[in-house]
Amino acid sequence: GDSVTQTEGLVTLTEGLPVMLNCTYQTIYSNPFLFWYVQHLNESPRLLLKSFTDNKRTEHQGFHATLHKSSSSFHLQKSSAQLSDSALYYCALSEDNYAQGLTFGLGTRVSVFP
Amino acid sequence: AQTIHQWPVAEIKAVGSPLSLGCTIKGKSSPNLYWYWQATGGTLQQLFYSITVGQVESVVQLNLSASRPKDDQFILSTEKLLLSHSGFYLCAWSLSGGQDTQYFGPGTRLLVL
Repeated sequence: GDSVTQTEGLVTLTEGLPVMLNCTYQTIYSNPFLFWYVQHLNESPRLLLKSFTDNKRTEHQGFHATLHKSSSSFHLQKSSAQLSDSALYYCALSEDNYAQGLTFGLGTRVSVFP
Repeated sequence: AQTIHQWPVAEIKAVGSPLSLGCTIKGKSSPNLYWYWQATGGTLQQLFYSITVGQVESVVQLNLSASRPKDDQFILSTEKLLLSHSGFYLCAWSLSGGQDTQYFGPGTRLLVL
């Protein structure tokens, strides 16, 4: 079945520094959809960004990611972390035109300090 | 605008007792509906999905069952709770298939003692 592997555990960084969270996936389908969801403390996950186009950069709220099918990757980046970016980040995968829901990675907790 | 409501907000239940969690979506007809479970500090595990009334597909059962009695309602239940059922239960909806964003409800926190 499908699987998603993310940067494990906790990422701590200082405000203003860049952040990069790794995400790689495995699927037998040729048209996967990749998502990044963010979950702040005591809240529900919400979509941060998504992509299904190979080698096209997707941006939202200062974050960006590019789907690379050749390497099965969808890394999340931001050039300058803010305190409000402290949250749990999930990379997720779904298959084109398939009603079954998302396959999530284990999640990466990001803590940004002043 | 679409709204998603889950009930109850939180529950403390005894091992072996029954459970019923509910989810209602307003403002969208015939959505795809999903149940997810999140252990404390853990990842999101999909449990069930439904694309139409009366039809539910199981992804991971975990001794739980789900039903969709109405277009806008999704129910998660079990007759006998286990300690391992503790966690955060999230209902989500999407327009249709894989490329669509899933919108999560506020969730239900369950503690089984």
